[in-house]
Order: sequence, then structure tokens, then C-alpha cells
Amino acid sequence: GAGVSQSPSNKVTEKGKDVELRCDPISGHTALYWYRQSLGQGLEFLIYFQGNSAPDKSGLPSDRFSAERTGGSVSTLTIQRTQQEDSAVYLCASSFFPGELFFGEGSRLTVL
Amino acid sequence: SQQGEEDPQALSIQEGENATMNCSYKTSINNLQWYRQNSGRGLVHLILIRSNEREKHSGRLRVTLDTSKKSSSLLITASRAADTASYFCATMIYNQGGKLIFGQGTELSVKP
Repeated sequence: GAGVSQSPSNKVTEKGKDVELRCDPISGHTALYWYRQSLGQGLEFLIYFQGNSAPDKSGLPSDRFSAERTGGSVSTLTIQRTQQEDSAVYLCASSFFPGELFFGEGSRLTVL
Repeated sequence: SQQGEEDPQALSIQEGENATMNCSYKTSINNLQWYRQNSGRGLVHLILIRSNEREKHSGRLRVTLDTSKKSSSLLITASRAADTASYFCATMIYNQGGKLIFGQGTELSVKP
């Protein structure tokens, strides 16, 4: 596609429910990143996929968070048993390694 | 602590003035990138400077990199009200693949 696409753009859920956030990267980009941004804060690195290499999961805050990238393209970030502190904007980006990142518009998650 | 830290956290200037933002980091890097974010959603790439480069220009933007001091600066010349945004530096850490770590950002306000 023309750019990085994320869905849903907004998600409101109840504490304890599971959520899935989807990212469609730019076709052909080998690298895919997930970040989290709380209101007025910087970007917190979550996970990074590069080609067929094992992902760098060093930023995932707890074992409730997981992500996969199927077929080297679409990625899903899953948050299990959501907590209120998970409320944030989740940003996905893709790139050709090791260049500039192209970001989606983000998925705003609100946990009630 | 953050790999990249920015200074100042907030900057307010008049249209036509120059704006300078600084970024310091802790470990060796492959490259350093600057991004702009409007309204807390997707980020837009501005400029990438490699570890063996010292200065790059793009339009009204000038970026410098001092690897001995582990610091970079972004200069926006002849600022415009439309430059009002948050600006982030991001470092691609040496020997960690394409992992890109963002700073906390500088909030720039340009008053007409």
C-alpha cells in the first residue's frame, strides 16, 4: 500500500480483556517496529522484526504483551488481560534496513 | 534511562528566529535520525545522519553529529508557525541490528 496502515485507530476496552492491534507495513519493507507512546511522552520501544531473523523483544513490558509478523508482512500486537496502565497510542513503523522509518497513524488504546 | 535525551524539553520562539534542539546519547550508534510529530500521532522522518558523517543539510534543517561527545543538534532556520510540533531524535544502536531508540522529544512552539 501507499503507507503504513494500522487498525483499529481507536479501541476502548475493559480491564482484563485481550486486545489485538494490527499493522500493515509498506510492501517490501524488511523491518517492522512497534512503539508505545503515553500522553505527552516519548516513544517507548516494544519490539522489532527484521526479515527472517528472530525479533528483538527486549522492549516488551511484560509477558502479557506479544507480537508476531506473518509472512514477513502484516504484524499483530496482542495485549492480554489489559490493565489501565496499558492505555496509550501504539505506533507501528516499517523501513528498509537500516534506513528511515515510515510510521502509521497509531492505534489509541483506552482501558477502562 | 533513555539512550537519547533531548534538550530543551520545550522551546518557544518567534517566527523568523532559529530553533536549536540538542540530543545526547549513551552508546555507540550506526546512525541518528530526527523525526517530527504533529498532534501526538504518526511521526515523519526529517533527516538521517550516519556515524561517519558530521553535518547534513535538508532545506531549512541542519543536523550535526559529534560522536566524541555523543551528541547531535537539529537547527531549524527562519522558523515558521507551521514548524510548531514535537521533534524527536532516535539512535540506531551499533551492533543491535536495526533497533531504533527514541528520546523524549522537544516541544517547539513558533509564534506568528
